[in-house]
Amino acid sequence: AQSVTQLDSQVPVFEEAPVELRCNYSSSVSVYLFWYVQYPNQGLQLLLKYLSGSTLVESINGFEAEFNKSQTSFHLRKPSVHISDTAEYFCAVSETGGFKTIFGAGTRLFVKA
Amino acid sequence: DTEVTQTPKHLVMGMTNKKSLKCEQHMGHRAMYWYKQKAKKPPELMFVYSYEKLSINESVPSRFSPECPNSSLLNLHLHALQPEDSALYLCASSQGGRAERETQYFGPGTRLLVL
Repeated sequence: AQSVTQLDSQVPVFEEAPVELRCNYSSSVSVYLFWYVQYPNQGLQLLLKYLSGSTLVESINGFEAEFNKSQTSFHLRKPSVHISDTAEYFCAVSETGGFKTIFGAGTRLFVKA
Repeated sequence: DTEVTQTPKHLVMGMTNKKSLKCEQHMGHRAMYWYKQKAKKPPELMFVYSYEKLSINESVPSRFSPECPNSSLLNLHLHALQPEDSALYLCASSQGGRAERETQYFGPGTRLLVL
């Protein structure tokens, strides 16, 4: 069965600084990887996902993540964060042939002015 | 329209009450999900419907009863809940082809308090 670990529960960072949110997964088969974001009092929204092909995936709002199969990681990065990026970020994994998506514990990104 | 709507937004119920949560989407999606999210925790899958048939039940207690009357609607019927069932209940949908590859679209959730 698949599992996902988000190594940091909270990441405080100053506005315009770079940030990396770490995610590691475990699975015995091929996986699909996702990053979702949850703003306060809202549901989750997809930020980006890796299905196949290029290991670097990008979102429309400046985030990117790189699938590293050898390190079983899918870290999320942004070169310059904004106050509006303050939210909870969830890494998620699903396995080929499965219906179930497993979410990590979440990382709270707090951007300070 | 990429919206999943959920009603009500908030619900307070006693342990002897019966209530229902409602979820609706008009994206033509054929997979629909119920998740439970406790404060500062990730969503936990409860049920998955695929083409209006229940495909996954994550060993959820019978006091939670899902229903999918048609491809656009998903209900969660609640009866004799416990205080520990207080949580944010999230509904999601996806296209329903190869669900493991698909983006899930989440509603804003129903915040449930059981007294």
